[in-house]
Amino acid sequence: GENVEQHPSTLSVQEGDSAVIKCTYSDSASNYFPWYKQELGKRPQLIIDIRSNVGEKKDQRIAVTLNKTAKHFSLHITETQPEDSAVYFCAASPYTGRRALTFGSGTRLQVQP
Amino acid sequence: EAQVTQNPRYLITVTGKKLTVTCSQNMNHEYMSWYRQDPGLGLRQIYYSMNVEVTDKGDVPEGYKVSRKEKRNFPLILESPSPNQTSLYFCASSLSGQPGQPQHFGDGTRLSIL
Repeated sequence: GENVEQHPSTLSVQEGDSAVIKCTYSDSASNYFPWYKQELGKRPQLIIDIRSNVGEKKDQRIAVTLNKTAKHFSLHITETQPEDSAVYFCAASPYTGRRALTFGSGTRLQVQP
Repeated sequence: EAQVTQNPRYLITVTGKKLTVTCSQNMNHEYMSWYRQDPGLGLRQIYYSMNVEVTDKGDVPEGYKVSRKEKRNFPLILESPSPNQTSLYFCASSLSGQPGQPQHFGDGTRLSIL
């Protein structure tokens, strides 16, 4: 089955700096890669996703890049703000769709004011 | 309001006492899933359901049961809970189980098994 590895497990940046979180996946047939943000005590919420026919996608201060050859994808947050502090999860969707998402282990991002 | 509703939100119970966590969605979604979240391990899938009466094991199904008698409901059953099932549980749903379908999560249920 699919295996998703996520790095780093914790990340601390100064407000205004950029943050990058990286994930690798094992199943070359995976074709959907969402990112979820989970604030303390809250549910995971989808913040951005990318499909395998696209190399990069942006939404205001966040962007995701995908390298299918290397089987890795990354989340980029620019001009970080304290409210970006949360746990971020990447995920990959196996081709068969029977197990819609396999998640990475999460990255705790702390934005220092 | 479109939502996934879990109950209870918090539960402290003892080893061996059967419990059920309910999950209900009002979006007419075909696909529903249960995850457990443990520190450092992310979200791991327990069971999922592609549609009514269609359920299958995820990555960590041991000690759990599910049923899908109606499209909107997908209860998680712990027949004989043990302390290693102490965790934060999330129910999620999506329009279908096909790749590319965003999943909507409930607010979570924190279970403590003593």
